[in-house]
Amino acid sequence: AQSVSQHNHHVILSEAASLELGCNYSYGGTVNLFWYVQYPGQHLQLLLKYFSGDPLVKGIKGFEAEFIKSKFSFNLRKPSVQWSDTAEYFCAPRSVDSNYQLIWGAGTKLIIKP
Amino acid sequence: ETGVTQTPRHLVMGMTNKKSLKCEQHLGHNAMYWYKQSAKKPLELMFVYSLEERVENNSVPSRFSPECPNSSHLFLHLHTLQPEDSALYLCANSQDGLAYEQYFGPGTRLTVT
Repeated sequence: AQSVSQHNHHVILSEAASLELGCNYSYGGTVNLFWYVQYPGQHLQLLLKYFSGDPLVKGIKGFEAEFIKSKFSFNLRKPSVQWSDTAEYFCAPRSVDSNYQLIWGAGTKLIIKP
Repeated sequence: ETGVTQTPRHLVMGMTNKKSLKCEQHLGHNAMYWYKQSAKKPLELMFVYSLEERVENNSVPSRFSPECPNSSHLFLHLHTLQPEDSALYLCANSQDGLAYEQYFGPGTRLTVT
């Protein structure tokens, strides 16, 4: 069965620290890849997505992610985090064989200390 | 503002009650989804509608009954729920079911007593 693993359930960083959140998926075929973010008390929203082309994709608020096909990974990065990045982050691959189903990770809660 | 509204935002119901959750989208999208979000668990896709027809039903218990009367509205009818059904229920929609981004509503926080 397809699955996705987010390695850290909780991450605590200080402002200006660099961030990398891991995401690995198990599906061997062609995938589209998404990162969503849920700020405290707000709705889930798209952070960035990868469909094809340049494996390094840039999203909103200075986030980027790199698709490494050989490692089945799509890690999220930000060089310098801010207090406002405190949120929960979800990795969600989607097999192109499935019309609707995203495979959601359990999420990583990121807390940025001011 | 995502163009997706959900009502009510909070709901407390007993196990014998019948209630309904409502979702409304103003984006003109064709696909609509119900998800269940529980603490420390991945989002669980419950139902998908495309052009008002149900296209996915992920082994959801029959005490949850979806309804999509038109492309702008989605309901989740609830009856004889269990305490383990307490969760945040999210409505989402996308332009189509393919690789398009999903837009989420704020959710309904459901507590079953």
